Amino acid sequence: AQSVTQLDSHVSVSEGTPVLLRCNYSSSYSPSLFWYVQHPNKGLQLLLKYTSAATLVKGINGFEAEFKKSETSFHLTKPSAHMSDAAEYFCVVSFTGNQFYFGTGTSLTVIP
Amino acid sequence: DTAVSQTPKYLVTQMGNDKSIKCEQNLGHDTMYWYKQDSKKFLKIMFSYNNKELIINETVPNRFSPKSPDKAHLNLHINSLELGDSAVYFCASSGRTSGADTQYFGPGTRLTVL
Repeated sequence: AQSVTQLDSHVSVSEGTPVLLRCNYSSSYSPSLFWYVQHPNKGLQLLLKYTSAATLVKGINGFEAEFKKSETSFHLTKPSAHMSDAAEYFCVVSFTGNQFYFGTGTSLTVIP
Repeated sequence: DTAVSQTPKYLVTQMGNDKSIKCEQNLGHDTMYWYKQDSKKFLKIMFSYNNKELIINETVPNRFSPKSPDKAHLNLHINSLELGDSAVYFCASSGRTSGADTQYFGPGTRLTVL
């Protein structure tokens, strides 16, 4: 069975400190992996995606994620949090093209 | 030049009414989706259409009926609205970009049933 797990429902960081949002997946196939961000009262915006090219993927707004097959993980990181990063983040996995499986989301709070 | 657009953005209505939400994408994608996001932010797939054909139909009350007049449009009609239908509904489309099918989302429609 295919699934995706976001290990933390809430993460709080101080402004200027690193961000780590964790995502693990289970699959028998080679996945495509995505991170989306949802700011309050907004739609979902694609941050970055992994598609079996480079395992370290750079996205928008300074975010990046590393695909680790041995750990079945795709954690999202940013070296220095900004107040504008406060949002809901979703890890998404796709195995068969047009079917996408969403994690339950991680709410990121940035403390000034 | 919004990629995926939805109307209306907000919808407030009484229980028992019938309402529709429209979605359009100008990305040339073959596949479109409807998702429901509840108050806890969980996103649940409702329907998926590929080239106007229904391919995913999750356990959704049959009061919800999607309609795809063409590849660029996927509308959602809801009959006999109930309080539990209050949520944010997102339309999305997907197509192949940079080696993978990628989803793009509309801005959402916040439905409030009174």
